[in-house]
Amino acid sequence: QQPVQSPQAVILREGEDAVINCSSSKALYSVHWYRQKHGEAPVFLMILLKGGEQKGHEKISASFNEKKQQSSLYLTASQLSYSGTYFCGTEISGGFKTIFGAGTRLFVKA
Amino acid sequence: NAGVTQTPKFQVLKTGQSMTLQCAQDMNHNSMYWYRQDPGMGLRLIYYSASEGTTDKGEVPNGYNVSRLNKREFSLRLESAAPSQTSVYFCASTYSADPYEQYFGPGTRLTVT
Repeated sequence: QQPVQSPQAVILREGEDAVINCSSSKALYSVHWYRQKHGEAPVFLMILLKGGEQKGHEKISASFNEKKQQSSLYLTASQLSYSGTYFCGTEISGGFKTIFGAGTRLFVKA
Repeated sequence: NAGVTQTPKFQVLKTGQSMTLQCAQDMNHNSMYWYRQDPGMGLRLIYYSASEGTTDKGEVPNGYNVSRLNKREFSLRLESAAPSQTSVYFCASTYSADPYEQYFGPGTRLTVT
């Protein structure tokens, strides 16, 4: 039931782009994206809902393919501050049980 | 506006000891959650409280109990700590049942020896 994230880790140079994927074996109601820096709490990035609604920060771009139960997070023109671990969380039905993936570690170097 | 606060920040317990982790939010949120995060793993939901007066099990509830004391506070109790419960515990809150962003507290790092 835990969503699968890929890649597990990625190293970028400043200015490069990256895509982080999240897939589930079950039909999804929503997908959540969070970023966590080392030793800190996760911070909200975006929620994508079944039907196309999105809630989140304007500078973050993501997609949700309901038919494939997949979501992708697009990081463009990466900055050093993008470094951290990115988690996707999925909900099968509206409610409270968000199940998180194992995370994707992103490291941006100068 | 402190957001979500957790106490303590760090705790070391011996096997069999009990303790309560405290969480409070000042954002007038209805729903609150407890997660644990083990090294290299994502967040796993222990218990949640959809609204004041209700609590429900998450993915990994065994060995834990919770109390939604009021709208602001949600505590997590370990009755008899085990080394397998060594983890970082995060409390989170959100406005409602509809998918909304969760606000996380700073975490409690618990070690059980």
